[in-house]
Amino acid sequence: EVQLVESGGGLVQPGGSLRLSCAASGFTFSSYEMNWVRQAPGKGLEWVSYISSSGSTIYYADSVKGRFTISRDNAKNSLYLQMNSLRAEDTAVYYCAREGVIGAANWFDPWGQGTLVTVSS
Amino acid sequence: DIQMTQSPSSLSASVGDRVTITCRASQSISSYLNWYQQKPGKAPKLLIYAASSLQSGVPSRFSGSGSGTDFTLTISSLQPEDFATYYCQQSGMYTFGQGTKLEIK
Repeated sequence: EVQLVESGGGLVQPGGSLRLSCAASGFTFSSYEMNWVRQAPGKGLEWVSYISSSGSTIYYADSVKGRFTISRDNAKNSLYLQMNSLRAEDTAVYYCAREGVIGAANWFDPWGQGTLVTVSS
Repeated sequence: DIQMTQSPSSLSASVGDRVTITCRASQSISSYLNWYQQKPGKAPKLLIYAASSLQSGVPSRFSGSGSGTDFTLTISSLQPEDFATYYCQQSGMYTFGQGTKLEIK
């Protein structure tokens, strides 16, 4: 069974740091591009970051550029999101999602269950 | 940046109804449009990719259509488990629509 399990969320003060992890199983992790998506309480979905299968290509949403760093360890079947200089507006459930691709079309499937990050003093 | 606008933002319907949700892109995105379903407290689930391709395991009452800037998600006969929030997403820069909450009438 394909599975993604996030961990590392919690309560952090503004300006603090947190590292999220996403453990993948049931598929060849090193063959897939991966993403982080977040959802603020009661709000819609916001794409956060993308990483290619090898880790050589990375993209960020403007809202997190310069503060967040995505990475992966294919030997450990794991995806990470290092979040620094956290702000109240970063409070959200963070999901990791595997990217599916056919030609130029891509989509997110499956998604992990999410981990809640709360930025508050 | 390409903006994605869904309509309506919320919708009340009854079991057995035919329902259509619309997603409009601010510029042409060809057929690079996906649809997701999200239930409260759960992760989103892929329903439709590339505008009209049904994801494996998704019931055939769900269908997608459109190209260019205008897209639709249709549920042919609403079932109790379909009451949820639906999001469109454009493939290129991963932008999501604001969501459509489908509620029981």
